[in-house]
Amino acid sequence: DGGITQSPKYLFRKEGQNVTLSCEQNLNHDAMYWYRQDPGQGLRLIYYSQIVNDFQKGDIAEGYSVSREKKESFPLTVTSAQKNPTAFYLCASSIVRSDQPQHFGDGTRLSIL
Amino acid sequence: EDQVTQSPEALRLQEGESSSLNCSYTVSGLRGLFWYRQDPGKGPEFLFTLYSAGEEKEKERLKATLTKKESFLHITAPKPEDSATYLCAAGSNYQLIWGAGTKLIIKP
Repeated sequence: DGGITQSPKYLFRKEGQNVTLSCEQNLNHDAMYWYRQDPGQGLRLIYYSQIVNDFQKGDIAEGYSVSREKKESFPLTVTSAQKNPTAFYLCASSIVRSDQPQHFGDGTRLSIL
Repeated sequence: EDQVTQSPEALRLQEGESSSLNCSYTVSGLRGLFWYRQDPGKGPEFLFTLYSAGEEKEKERLKATLTKKESFLHITAPKPEDSATYLCAAGSNYQLIWGAGTKLIIKP
């Protein structure tokens, strides 16, 4: 079955530590996205990529970094510069057209130790 | 500024009690209005896309409608398994603008 796999499901970060969240898709989608979800707020876009080896900052990119070396993979690194990283992180993919829906993985919940 | 607002924040219904969720949007050049369902600890699950005012789509007990300023998700005779958070998003310039969601609780 085609879909998006995020791992791990739960992740704990120590102060000053960088952590990387994995996102893999087998839907053959060119576009991939990372969102942050906090209670009571809409999804906020961190980074997105419409093609391999290219990506753009979203609304809240500070303290995060990404890479897009393969079409199937779009890992997100939460750096120590992100002072409030506790949140639910969602990865999505879609056809590169704004009239097409995005499809989501089941998320990674990041907490601070 | 592009914006999407959902109301109410939470809605409690008895099983079988029909109601509607609202999604108001201010988006320049709307490319599509999307509805999703999200269960706790899971990613959003795509339900519908609406493209033009007057369009309607149905799936089981859910029907989504669209006007030039808002979209409604009508739920008819809901069951407890319809309990979830329902999210709407407006497509604009290769991005989606998201509402904060409506948490729907259906009591048996």
